[in-house]
Amino acid sequence: NAGVTQTPKFRILKIGQSMTLQCAQDMNHNYMYWYRQDPGMGLKLIYYSVGAGITDKGEVPNGYNVSRSTTEDFPLRLELAAPSQTSVYFCASSYDPTLAGGLGYEQYFGPGTRLTVT
Amino acid sequence: KNEVEQSPQNLTAQEGEFITINCSYSVGISALHWLQQHPGGGIVSLFMLSSGKKKHGRLIATINIQEKHSSLHITASHPRDSAVYICAVLTSSNYKLTFGKGTLLTVNP
Repeated sequence: NAGVTQTPKFRILKIGQSMTLQCAQDMNHNYMYWYRQDPGMGLKLIYYSVGAGITDKGEVPNGYNVSRSTTEDFPLRLELAAPSQTSVYFCASSYDPTLAGGLGYEQYFGPGTRLTVT
Repeated sequence: KNEVEQSPQNLTAQEGEFITINCSYSVGISALHWLQQHPGGGIVSLFMLSSGKKKHGRLIATINIQEKHSSLHITASHPRDSAVYICAVLTSSNYKLTFGKGTLLTVNP
């Protein structure tokens, strides 16, 4: 099993450009997440999905869009990139955390995408 | 004020030392997770706990629900333990993880 894969690993964008960060998992997890990690800060949830066709906003959704057409894939779209979106982006997946008797399930993280917007 | 506070932010130890990293939180939680992030960036889950203590090899995690506090201990630390250790709480209101800023641990040989 590949686990959670992300592409690309690195990307430099100019202000105003758009791009899609790809994320895929092969563990049949119904929950998928996108986080951003800024220097000296904790991971922040951008968007999440509880299953194909269902997505919802997290803590910092502005400037991003997501879609979930299959269980496996959860791409993150940046429209009109801004310097404030310079960050490391992590995709993660898990089983439904509400079904684990309170503990939640382990989240499996992808290797991350380092994005710089200049 | 952050909902999840970790201390210390940075920790340098000599090989073999006993390490303690602390985590305090201010929200209602269902569980607390400890994660490890290696210099290459990969993040892996170490523990999930809602009460008491868990042990895995040289790592021990404890939680005190009444005091809203958890600790991660590393016994007989080794340079390969050098990483960022992240505390995250699974909030009982929405089952989402809220993360601390992490503790950078460096273990020197």
